[in-house]
Amino acid sequence: EPEVTQTPSHQVTQMGQEVILRCVPISNHLYFYWYRQILGQKVEFLVSFYNNEISEKSEIFDDQFSVERPDGSNFTLKIRSTKLEDSAMYFCASSEQGSSFGYTFGSGTRLTVV
Amino acid sequence: AQRVTQPEKLLSVFKGAPVELKCNYSYSGSPELFWYVQYSRQRLQLLLRHISRESIKGFTADLNKGETSFHLKKPFAQEEDSAMYYCALWGNNDMRFGAGTRLTVKP
Repeated sequence: EPEVTQTPSHQVTQMGQEVILRCVPISNHLYFYWYRQILGQKVEFLVSFYNNEISEKSEIFDDQFSVERPDGSNFTLKIRSTKLEDSAMYFCASSEQGSSFGYTFGSGTRLTVV
Repeated sequence: AQRVTQPEKLLSVFKGAPVELKCNYSYSGSPELFWYVQYSRQRLQLLLRHISRESIKGFTADLNKGETSFHLKKPFAQEEDSAMYYCALWGNNDMRFGAGTRLTVKP
């Protein structure tokens, strides 16, 4: 069964550093998403991406964050100047256009900012 | 915009007891609703979707459009059901989640 792959599984970074979280969506999917889950809290929508541009973003997704599809397979989330409160699990997901049936989560990247 | 409400943050039942996790939604279009389960520190796993009308691990959920609800039910809870449960709504080409309910099944 196709999977959404995320790397690394765990990243530790110093406060103020930039991190890039990587995701490889399912190959024929056209919509891509990032979610954040702070430990013990709810899964929060960050951003959706379609046709090489952001289609929707939440209030959490401020100028500190950016997303990119640098090539035909990767979908990245960049966090500039990380803060302690950015420590969370970050999930990537992808879906076929206009359908929830192929919607698939990755296993997540645990980001720890120290 | 779609919104999902799970009024209970915590729910505790004894093994063998019935369990119901509540979910209400708000969406102007025709909703697609889902339940996801997350075991300790693992990825979100799809439990069931309303369109399939299936029963997974003994859980069922019925979409009630009149009450805008999609409550998750199981007649006899098991200890291994202890987890976080998220109700989710697909709309506008993305998935939005409720705050989650932590279910604890006591022996």
